Amino acid sequence: GQQVMQIPQYQHVQEGEDFTTYCNSSTTLSNIQWYKQRPGGHPVFLIQLVKSGEVKKQKRLTFQFGEAKKNSSLHITATQTTDVGTYFCAPNYGGSQGNLIFGKGTKLSVKP
Amino acid sequence: EPEVTQTPSHQVTQMGQEVILRCVPISNHLYFYWYRQILGQKVEFLVSFYNNEISEKSEIFDDQFSVERPDGSNFTLKIRSTKLEDSAMYFCASSDDPGGKLFFGSGTQLSVL
Repeated sequence: GQQVMQIPQYQHVQEGEDFTTYCNSSTTLSNIQWYKQRPGGHPVFLIQLVKSGEVKKQKRLTFQFGEAKKNSSLHITATQTTDVGTYFCAPNYGGSQGNLIFGKGTKLSVKP
Repeated sequence: EPEVTQTPSHQVTQMGQEVILRCVPISNHLYFYWYRQILGQKVEFLVSFYNNEISEKSEIFDDQFSVERPDGSNFTLKIRSTKLEDSAMYFCASSDDPGGKLFFGSGTQLSVL
């Protein structure tokens, strides 16, 4: 079935360092969403990217959607301990219900 | 902000028993979903539901699973005869737009002994 690869699986950073997670699909996506799951919590929606080459920013977070709509990235500038959690991409391949199939996630730990 | 609520937060059951996990989606949402997450692993899609019927289901959602919207507010997931490998966190989600932003509940941690 359609799958997306998300890398890296884990990332350990020192507070203040930058962090990037990547999501790559072999097929063109309709759109892609990103979610954050804090330890012990539930996934929380961060952003949806729809347009080819789209870049969106939320404070220290920058989201990009590739020109071919097959890959996406989330970049965090100057990480803080509050950024700890697992970041999931959720590509949408289209279809009548647009069910989201989540990537495996990147687990971010931040050392103070 | 409106929330998706799930009950119970924890459920312990014996293998072979039936369990019903309950969810109250956000009131004006029409699209409902169940996902599950085995500890430390990714969030796996189980089933989507719209207009009182299943829209799509994954390979995980076999004949032991069923969903129902018994009234205007609740959305339930039933596992008829639980297996050890059903132990996971089960998340309900709802959306007002197919393929749009999902609002997740806090989950039900199911432990099958």
